[in-house]
Amino acid sequence: AQKVTQAQTEISVVEKEDVTLDCVYETRDTTYYLFWYKQPPSGELVFLIRRNSFDEQNEISGRYSWNFQKSTSSFNFTITASQVVDSAVYFCALSENTGKLIFGQGTTLQVKP
Amino acid sequence: EAEVAQSPRYKITEKSQAVAFWCDPISGHATLYWYRQILGQGPELLVQFQDESVVDDSQLPKDRFSAERLKGVDSTLKIQPAELGDSAMYLCASSLDRVESTEAFFGQGTRLTVV
Repeated sequence: AQKVTQAQTEISVVEKEDVTLDCVYETRDTTYYLFWYKQPPSGELVFLIRRNSFDEQNEISGRYSWNFQKSTSSFNFTITASQVVDSAVYFCALSENTGKLIFGQGTTLQVKP
Repeated sequence: EAEVAQSPRYKITEKSQAVAFWCDPISGHATLYWYRQILGQGPELLVQFQDESVVDDSQLPKDRFSAERLKGVDSTLKIQPAELGDSAMYLCASSLDRVESTEAFFGQGTRLTVV
């Protein structure tokens, strides 16, 4: 069965702190894709990253970085030097090569000035 | 920048009434998705289209929900009759293709309140 678990419901940090959002997934497929989306208060889901199961290289994009570890079925997301504009709900999602996304419950990140 | 367009943004309807949502995907995107997001939860897929064909509607409550994508472009999701439990955000998304799960781009959603 496919499942995504985001154990952290809410995280609160002060601006400029680093923060890591955890994501653990379950799948029986060997080919799958992992995603992170950001949902600001306006409601739309903003695509952040897509990673396929054969590429375990960590990725950095500006203040964002992602750590993919197949051994622990985790795909964690770190924001370095957080800013108030990073406040949002963040979703991790899994797809088994069908396009359909299985989302986690989301982590609400609050960055205080 | 190309966007997924959805309307209306907000809808309040009475229980047992009919309601419809519209979505216009990014031009050239063959795959279109309708997701439902209940407050405090992650989105869940209701229906997935590849061009004009339904490829996954396993979670669509077919006794009251219907979806179509005539001509394989824009799409309409209908609920009839609406129930209190249908109050949620309805999100439309599109992607180039479902193969290799290319990234999906989402619209701003329609927030439905059933009273």
